[in-house]
Amino acid sequence: AQSVTQLGSHVSVSEGALVLLRCNYSSSVPPYLFWYVQYPNQGLQLLLKYTSAATLVKGINGFEAEFKKSETSFHLTKPSAHMRDAAEYFCAVRLTGNQFYFGTGTSLTVIP
Amino acid sequence: GAVVSQHPSWVICKSGTSVKIECRSLDFQATTMFWYRQFPKQSLMLMATSNEGSKATYEQGVEKDKFLINHASLTLSTLTVTSAHPEDSSFYICSASLSMQQYFGAGTRLSVL
Repeated sequence: AQSVTQLGSHVSVSEGALVLLRCNYSSSVPPYLFWYVQYPNQGLQLLLKYTSAATLVKGINGFEAEFKKSETSFHLTKPSAHMRDAAEYFCAVRLTGNQFYFGTGTSLTVIP
Repeated sequence: GAVVSQHPSWVICKSGTSVKIECRSLDFQATTMFWYRQFPKQSLMLMATSNEGSKATYEQGVEKDKFLINHASLTLSTLTVTSAHPEDSSFYICSASLSMQQYFGAGTRLSVL
């Protein structure tokens, strides 16, 4: 069965510092992987997606993620954190029937 | 890009009443929509998959008579929480599927008094 695991339910970084949010996947077939961001009381917004093309995927708001098959990882990074990046981040894998399996989420706090 | 509109964004109701939440795909047709429930500080829990013109597929543990789903057109799915009780208070989010990707509504905060 396909799934994702997000390590670290809370991450705090200083403004301007590197952001690293971890996601590992489990899949017997090439996965389609996604990162979403959720601001308080809002729905999910797609940051980026991996669909078996380039392993380094660039998304919106300066975020990017690298698909590493050898490590079964799809970590989300941003070189320099901004206050507006504070939000909840979800990693997800697409299952059959277009259903998505979401990770448990990582809350990002940016310290001024 | 694809836009999904969810309405209302916030609703307060009395215990025992029913509440309807609408999910619309504004600029595309969605044969499949999904309904999620999210508890505070937790991830999204898939409640059901809504298919246009057919019955919804509910996840294990979700009461289909409690959470009625109707997907009467290619752009509209509705979730009706029947005889709502305080334990039904939650954040409900819909999404619509397009090109192997899901597009999410802004969510509905339901508070049952």
